[in-house]
Amino acid sequence: RKEVEQDPGPFNVPEGATVAFNCTYSNSASQSFFWYRQDCRKEPKLLMSVYSSGNEDGRFTAQLNRASQYISLLIRDSKLSDSATYLCVVNGVGSFDKLIFGTGTRLQVFP
Amino acid sequence: GAVVSQHPSWVICKSGTSVKIECRSLDFQATTMFWYRQFPKQSLMLMATSNEGSKATYEQGVEKDKFLINHASLTLSTLTVTSAHPEDSSFYICSAQISDTQYFGPGTRLTVL
Repeated sequence: RKEVEQDPGPFNVPEGATVAFNCTYSNSASQSFFWYRQDCRKEPKLLMSVYSSGNEDGRFTAQLNRASQYISLLIRDSKLSDSATYLCVVNGVGSFDKLIFGTGTRLQVFP
Repeated sequence: GAVVSQHPSWVICKSGTSVKIECRSLDFQATTMFWYRQFPKQSLMLMATSNEGSKATYEQGVEKDKFLINHASLTLSTLTVTSAHPEDSSFYICSAQISDTQYFGPGTRLTVL
């Protein structure tokens, strides 16, 4: 089983749609969770950290369910510029600093 | 925000040559930097953790003699791919950490012919 699993997509949605991505992680001891965004042939960029209480940043909402070991990202009112690959990231076993990346979920927003 | 640069951004080389990639933290000091590799349509895989003034820590399956890491200063870490082969062609990305956030360099695309 992969340490971090995501549906690769692609998710093709129209502008203005709401789209949700889920991610599961295998290590129950993980403490830090993130969503990164990666554009084609570019480096990942931090979108948001994910906190136990859930957190929101504009159109983006992240949720963490420790009991089920899954993380979600909700994007409301999708924009064309949201088209990218969204990476679920969890800190590694035994090391707070190491990051384990999912393969990413590709989102394509069309007009 | 924090800025991490990499050089070169892309490189094409012949099989058997060595390639050096530089990772710099531009406006902060980084005692720890990380080197990742990403093959097409795959996730980023951590290769090694680069520690300033000491030896790098390599992940399982990553050959330390093939991927030489030097972290001689608080703002520079280098990765040298020695005797590169076509299977080493990949996107190499470094990152540096501030608090609990990693900032990534723009990546280096290596193509070995």
